[in-house]
Amino acid sequence: QVQLQESGPGLVKPSETLSLTCTVSGDSFSTYYWSWIRQPPGKGLEWIGYIFYTGSTNYNPSLKSRVTISLDTSKIQFSLKLTSVTAADTAVYYCARHWGSGYYVDYWGQGTLVTVSS
Amino acid sequence: DIVMTQSPDSLAVSLGERATINCKSSQSVLYSSNNKNYLAWYQQKPGQPPKLLIYWASTRESGVPERFSGSGSGTDFTLTISSLQAEDVAVYSCQQYYSTPYTFGQGTKLEIK
Repeated sequence: QVQLQESGPGLVKPSETLSLTCTVSGDSFSTYYWSWIRQPPGKGLEWIGYIFYTGSTNYNPSLKSRVTISLDTSKIQFSLKLTSVTAADTAVYYCARHWGSGYYVDYWGQGTLVTVSS
Repeated sequence: DIVMTQSPDSLAVSLGERATINCKSSQSVLYSSNNKNYLAWYQQKPGQPPKLLIYWASTRESGVPERFSGSGSGTDFTLTISSLQAEDVAVYSCQQYYSTPYTFGQGTKLEIK
């Protein structure tokens, strides 16, 4: 059974960098696409971007200038960095696995709330 | 970007009755080369991550009760719960994975009448 777990600070100051890590267990990175998806309080889901096990990435153009997703295959972890955050970046951040060639999400982490506030 | 629009935003249905949620995409998510609709449905209960219910618009995920079904093609899709149970109270969202950026509908909140 695949499990994903997000970790990182729950509070980030405006203009600073949000950094989260997703640890994967029960599977390897091979052949899958791994995403970060966020959900502002009371709102819908927003795809941030994904990384393929080869290291290639694809980001949402709305966030592309501020986002970096990377992976550490030895630790079976992938990470999110979002720079220059504002209150609008306050959200529950989920890491997720896509089935197949970047299709639907079949596994989600539990999510972690990140609040941007001074 | 493909915009996903769900209707209604909220819905109240009596136990045992049918619930129908609609999802419309701003462009077709039907891939002609394989005749598959790149459309998924998720269920999200408070404090939990989304759970995959339906993929390829109409394929039920393993373990999902048969009362959940998906239909539609091209730009218009429907999630139907044939006989509402108390545990079905949740927010339901559609998602297109036809092209990036992947996009989700705004969600439909389903409640018991």
